[in-house]
Amino acid sequence: QQPVQSPQAVILREGEDAVINCSSSKALYSVHWYRQKHGEAPVFLMILLKGGEQKGHEKISASFNEKKQQSSLYLTASQLSYSGTYFCGTVVFNDYKLSFGAGTTVTVRA
Amino acid sequence: EAEVAQSPRYKITEKSQAVAFWCDPISGHATLYWYRQILGQGPELLVQFQDESVVDDSQLPKDRFSAERLKGVDSTLKIQPAELGDSAMYLCASSSRRLTGQGGEQFFGPGTRLTVL
Repeated sequence: QQPVQSPQAVILREGEDAVINCSSSKALYSVHWYRQKHGEAPVFLMILLKGGEQKGHEKISASFNEKKQQSSLYLTASQLSYSGTYFCGTVVFNDYKLSFGAGTTVTVRA
Repeated sequence: EAEVAQSPRYKITEKSQAVAFWCDPISGHATLYWYRQILGQGPELLVQFQDESVVDDSQLPKDRFSAERLKGVDSTLKIQPAELGDSAMYLCASSSRRLTGQGGEQFFGPGTRLTVL
């Protein structure tokens, strides 16, 4: 039930945009996004509960397409502080526990 | 700001020894989770507590792992005996929501990095 994230890694210059994708083979109840910096605990970014819903956290937003069981995280005008590993976590109907993807490592360079 | 506390932060042990990790969730959070995170991978749920009761321990290797939350507050995760493959980061998280599916944000502690030699 582990979701699949892509790409595995992305390198950006400050101000550039990036998209991280998360997909599941199961019908999803919700999608959770976390960011983890090296040696630190994962930090919650946002939860998406409804189809087509979009949310934002600073200049980071996400969408959830429940028909395709996919979510995308959008990093807009990236800042150095956006560097880290982004994990999507998915909750499947009738299971209700959070399963994390393998993560996408984002490196933002000056 | 309230935080999830974990100790120790680092633990080095030899295989076949016993180890224990402690977690103190954010005050008032009924739900507590233990995750294992292998380097380069996402966290994997080991056990979920609702107050003092185990809600899900399907991924917990019960022949060597045990977890308890006796008074529904802090929790201990034990491994006995430790094996080389247990080397990982052990993360504790807590949530005020009773079910993950309700959209409850999980607050993670700093983790315990275990190295088994």
